[in-house]
Formats: sequence, C-alpha cells, structure tokens
Amino acid sequence: GAGVSQSPRYKVAKRGQDVALRCDPISGHVSLFWYQQALGQGPEFLTYFQNEAQLDKSGLPSDRFFAERPEGSVSTLKIQRTQQEDSAVYLCASSPPRPKREPDTQYFGPGTRLTVL
Amino acid sequence: SQQGEEDPQALSIQEGENATMNCSYKTSINNLQWYRQNSGRGLVHLILIRSNEREKHSGRLRVTLDTSKKSSSLLITASRAADTASYFCATDEMYSGGGADGLTFGKGTHLIIQP
Repeated sequence: GAGVSQSPRYKVAKRGQDVALRCDPISGHVSLFWYQQALGQGPEFLTYFQNEAQLDKSGLPSDRFFAERPEGSVSTLKIQRTQQEDSAVYLCASSPPRPKREPDTQYFGPGTRLTVL
Repeated sequence: SQQGEEDPQALSIQEGENATMNCSYKTSINNLQWYRQNSGRGLVHLILIRSNEREKHSGRLRVTLDTSKKSSSLLITASRAADTASYFCATDEMYSGGGADGLTFGKGTHLIIQP
C-alpha cells in the first residue's frame, strides 16, 4: 500500500523566501509528526497533530515556522522568511490509531531536502 | 535537543561479521525504538522494545535495554552489504508533557558493510 509521501522532494530557496512543504500521511492515520534533520544529525521533533488538532508545537524553532492540518489528513509545514540555518531535511511521519498505553510506531516519509541559499 | 548518543558514530565491518551499536539516553522512557535510514531516504522502523523488556529479537536483529544504565544495544548478525545505512535509536519519553508523542532521536551510527 501507499506509504507517507512528501513533496517536493527537493526545494532550493533564496534567503528570505517563504516555502511550503507538504505531507500526505497513510490513509487512516490520525497522528502526524514533523521532524527536522540537519546534516549528520538525528531527526528533531518539531510538531504533532492528532487529526486536525495541533497538540504540540514545542519543537518549532521560531515563529517563522507554522504547520497546519486543516482536515485531519494532509499537512503543510510553512517556513516564512527562510534563513540558511533552516537548511535541513524535513521528515513527516504518521501513525495509526492505537489503544492507550500501546506503543506508537511511526511511519516516515522520504523527506523534503530544503536548501536555503 | 537530542536525547543521547549512539556509539560508535561510524562503524565499518566485513560482510558476514556482526555489528553492534550502542545508544544512551537521559530520561525515563516508555519504550525505545531503532530505525534505519539509507542515504537520501526516510527512516524505516526496525524494532521496538518496551521499558519493561530486557531483550528482543527480530530476524537478524537483537536489541537489549538496560533502564538502570539508560542504555540500549542493537546487534545485527551475519551482516550484508544491504545493511549499510545509518541507524538511530529513538525514545518515547515517559514524561514528555503536553500530550506530545514525538520521538527523541540520537545522532546515529553510520554502518558500512564491506563486501
């Protein structure tokens, strides 16, 4: 079946430009996560949605970062006025509904590699 | 911020040998997971071990967890060239607060299997 898809796969932006990164989660997955992965590092949590509700945005590095999931399916991560330090791979993950206390297995997309010049 | 460290940062072994990677973390956890990432691709879930488990097996993978030392190890037996990838441990923290279920990843071990 189809996995998590992300678009675009690669994005080059000039410093100061706004960008929008899209994530299509696996159908039926209620939880959606965004992570940022800098070169040579592990992914770092940005934000989490349960359906359309953004339950945690504590990982967003600044108010230039904004994420939405208006219909509880597709999500968009928007970065305004991009800076060079925003260059990274942005990973989206989704997970299915599960009983409480059951561990969460996240399914990751291929990521969007953002390069800010 | 990242939870902890994988050790070693890089590992190169001959095909057929066993590869062992270690992970240390800092806080109390619900579970610990290992992921693999091939160059230019997303993360693939390998195995999950709960905080009340000490060892788990899946195919050629063996994971151990020592919550008293806040550490885990991943053993890949009879390595193959296709195992070349970066391996990350990720923890589901017990007291993450705010309802967050985001995983906390280490920096990864880059494993190279020489044919």
